[in-house]
Amino acid sequence: NAGVTQTPKFQVLKTGQSMTLQCAQDMNHEYMSWYRQDPGMGLRLIHYSVGAGITDQGEVPNGYNVSRSTTEDFPLRLLSAAPSQTSVYFCASTRTPGQNSPLHFGNGTRLTVT
Amino acid sequence: QQQVKQSPQSLIVQKGGISIINCAYENTAFDYFPWYQQFPGKGPALLIAIRPDVSEKKEGRFTISFNKSAKQFSLHIMDSQPGDSATYFCAASYNTDKLIFGTGTRLQVFP
Repeated sequence: NAGVTQTPKFQVLKTGQSMTLQCAQDMNHEYMSWYRQDPGMGLRLIHYSVGAGITDQGEVPNGYNVSRSTTEDFPLRLLSAAPSQTSVYFCASTRTPGQNSPLHFGNGTRLTVT
Repeated sequence: QQQVKQSPQSLIVQKGGISIINCAYENTAFDYFPWYQQFPGKGPALLIAIRPDVSEKKEGRFTISFNKSAKQFSLHIMDSQPGDSATYFCAASYNTDKLIFGTGTRLQVFP
């Protein structure tokens, strides 16, 4: 099993460009989420999904869109990148929402916006 | 709004020593307190977790101590090893998987 796979590993964008960060999991997990990691800020929840067709906002959702058309995939879209979105982005999944089961993280996408 | 406060930001320990990382929370509804370990270039991975109905949980060299009245919990790493060098995050949640993470502690263990 590959677990949680994130692509790309690195990306450089210019201000105003758009892109999609991909996340896929092969564990048949219902719950998927996106976090951003910034120095001194820890991990902050951007968006999450408790199942296909269901998404909701986390702590820092502004500037990001998500959709969940399948159980396996949970892409994160930046419609107009800003330097404040320079960060490391992590996708995570877990088996059953609300059961406090362990989150499985991908290895991250390092995004730089110039 | 930081609901989980973590300290210290960084920690340097000699091999064989005890590493202690502390966290404090505000929301008394939190019912799950995990610790995650992150190595450079990797995503965080669950290390150990505790629920508020127990005051301590031990797994090998790693122990969580939990003080419900003080709204604090801590991670103790006994006999710290260079391989334990990593960033550690405490977290909390209530009846959900929306984990609220602390700001992280970078641990360096020197031989």
